[in-house]
Amino acid sequence: EILMTQSPATLSVSPGERATLSCRASQSVSSNLAWFQQKPGQAPRLLIYAASIRATGIPARFSGSGSGTEFTLTISSLQSEDFAVYYCQQYSNWWTFGHGTKLEI
Amino acid sequence: EVQLVESGGGLVQPGGSLRLSCAASGFSVSNSYMTWVRHSPVRGLEWVSFAYSGGGPSYADSVNGRFTISRDNSKNMLFLQMNSLRAEDTAVYYCARSTAVLPTFAHWGRGTLVTVSS
Repeated sequence: EILMTQSPATLSVSPGERATLSCRASQSVSSNLAWFQQKPGQAPRLLIYAASIRATGIPARFSGSGSGTEFTLTISSLQSEDFAVYYCQQYSNWWTFGHGTKLEI
Repeated sequence: EVQLVESGGGLVQPGGSLRLSCAASGFSVSNSYMTWVRHSPVRGLEWVSFAYSGGGPSYADSVNGRFTISRDNSKNMLFLQMNSLRAEDTAVYYCARSTAVLPTFAHWGRGTLVTVSS
């Protein structure tokens, strides 16, 4: 099983600031990496797939980068609606998720 | 518009059974890649079972032999039969859709809560 490790567990930032979230895979997943946003009581929402491609309807302030085992999600200028939990997920070998980064004000 | 609506969750005793349903609209489950994913505070997000028209079902090790995924193409629905339930199966269960072009979960339902407790 491919293990996904996210850091930090919690990130405190202010609206308008930039947020950088990290994700590491226990072995190479190539670019088979997705990022999800989840708010309380809601299903996860796909933000990024193939490590860097924004899903339909996702604002340009969200960007993803990386390949192999190291990945980054960047939110360029935080809006109030962006405060949520973010999960990375590999889909190179079935699917495994990280334990999430909580983005808080 | 793709929509997925789960139902069938509830409180069940350890060792009991439950059947979850997922009603799909906006696409056909018969030729889609469908997955049950669960989310618990203890285990996090975890895929449970996967089905697609081109092959047999697949199960995570944690549920293999206890859970069964199935589809009713005439009703455009997906099911998850859960037997021999354990406390660690407590979670919100989601059905999710992926495709061959995008093999991750672009569409999710809102989930149904399963609680296994005596």
